[in-house]
Amino acid sequence: AQKITQTQPGMFVQEKEAVTLDCTYDTSDQSYGLFWYKQPSSGEMIFLIYQGSYDEQNATEGRYSLNFQKARKSANLVISASQLGDSAMYFCAMREVSRYNAGGTSYGKLTFGQGTILTVHP
Amino acid sequence: DTGVSQDPRHKITKRGQNVTFRCDPISEHNRLYWYRQTLGQGPEFLTYFQNEAQLEKSRLLSDRFSAERPKGSFSTLEIQRTEQGDSAMYLCASSLEGRSNEQFFGPGTRLTVL
Repeated sequence: AQKITQTQPGMFVQEKEAVTLDCTYDTSDQSYGLFWYKQPSSGEMIFLIYQGSYDEQNATEGRYSLNFQKARKSANLVISASQLGDSAMYFCAMREVSRYNAGGTSYGKLTFGQGTILTVHP
Repeated sequence: DTGVSQDPRHKITKRGQNVTFRCDPISEHNRLYWYRQTLGQGPEFLTYFQNEAQLEKSRLLSDRFSAERPKGSFSTLEIQRTEQGDSAMYLCASSLEGRSNEQFFGPGTRLTVL
């Protein structure tokens, strides 16, 4: 079964500095996708960045980049130039291949980690 | 607003009552997912629809839970005979077949069972 591990319950960073949030995963599938979501106190899950298992380049989206190390099964999120508004819970997630049919189809069911609370200090 | 919407945003009910939540996905999205998130945890998958067909249900979805997507557009999640353990945030997400790198979530419905 797929599993996502986020070992940092909480992280602190000074405004304008960079921070790395760790994520490791376990899967026996060759094809999978990794996501990062931000969840502010309001509760909404905000999509940040995606990395496919066959993507050779690390994904980047503005201040967010994903440090994908396939051999180590890690997909760490790097936030550059932290802002006060970045304070939130961050979740790493993996898209699973479904086994509901004989062939197995990836339809997007996500398995989430436990999350990391990021606090940005002024 | 063209994002995923959920209604209500908050629901307080007494144990034993039935509750129903609604999710309206992004209009062209044919895939719809329900997740449940308890305090301090990541979301857990409940069920998945492709168009109107419910193709997978988690074992978390006891027989008190039922979900529908009758016309392949909006979906409802009903919980019968609620229990205190049902208190959680219920999240709906949608995506478009062929765009597996995107899955957008709604604001969630926070259920409190007294």
